[in-house]
Amino acid sequence: DQQVKQNSPSLSVQEGRISILNCDYTNSMFDYFLWYKKYPAEGPTFLISISSIKDKNEDGRFTVFLNKSAKHLSLHIVPSQPGDSAVYFCAASAGSGYALNFGKGTSLLVTP
Amino acid sequence: EAGVAQSPRYKIIEKRQSVAFWCNPISGHATLYWYQQILGQGPKLLIQFQNNGVVDDSQLPKDRFSAERLKGVDSTLKIQPAKLEDSAVYLCASSRGQGALTGANVLTFGAGSRLTVL
Repeated sequence: DQQVKQNSPSLSVQEGRISILNCDYTNSMFDYFLWYKKYPAEGPTFLISISSIKDKNEDGRFTVFLNKSAKHLSLHIVPSQPGDSAVYFCAASAGSGYALNFGKGTSLLVTP
Repeated sequence: EAGVAQSPRYKIIEKRQSVAFWCNPISGHATLYWYQQILGQGPKLLIQFQNNGVVDDSQLPKDRFSAERLKGVDSTLKIQPAKLEDSAVYLCASSRGQGALTGANVLTFGAGSRLTVL
């Protein structure tokens, strides 16, 4: 059963605009959420995270929003750059040090 | 710090043959994970080690997959015999692990080992 869902397989955005990637989860025990970025032929790299005690976390151009009541999180990239073109995975864990459950990923294409 | 090292990067085998993948985690990382990523899917956990003990292997197909982490450092993942559906990228990751003050949930991944079963 897919406990972390990314319902948009792909997204195309113009350079300079905002990219919004969405993620839903079903397991109410999840308390830590992460976004990973993956380029072809490379492993996923950590981008940004948020714990369930917060509703927003910001790091430069990247902001993650968490809506616990809706079991929904989103990643905002502003402004989007061509180098941001990659597959983005949403992941969640239930407790410190536990394995991550991943979504299927959203492929982001940022066009010049 | 050096990243997570994996080998081989690519492997092509016939079905029913065996294959082994090796992983060297980041120095000092107590927890090591093996994930399977099938094309178009997200990574799926196969097994999690804390030092040299198994924390979770509930999704490991134990009739054909085995993994070990000797001395709590390097790890090997073996598939014997391989099936067509085992074609995937096998990702190794490590983290500071349970009890770490920070970064317990942040996994650092290796580049992966791509397996093709013909």
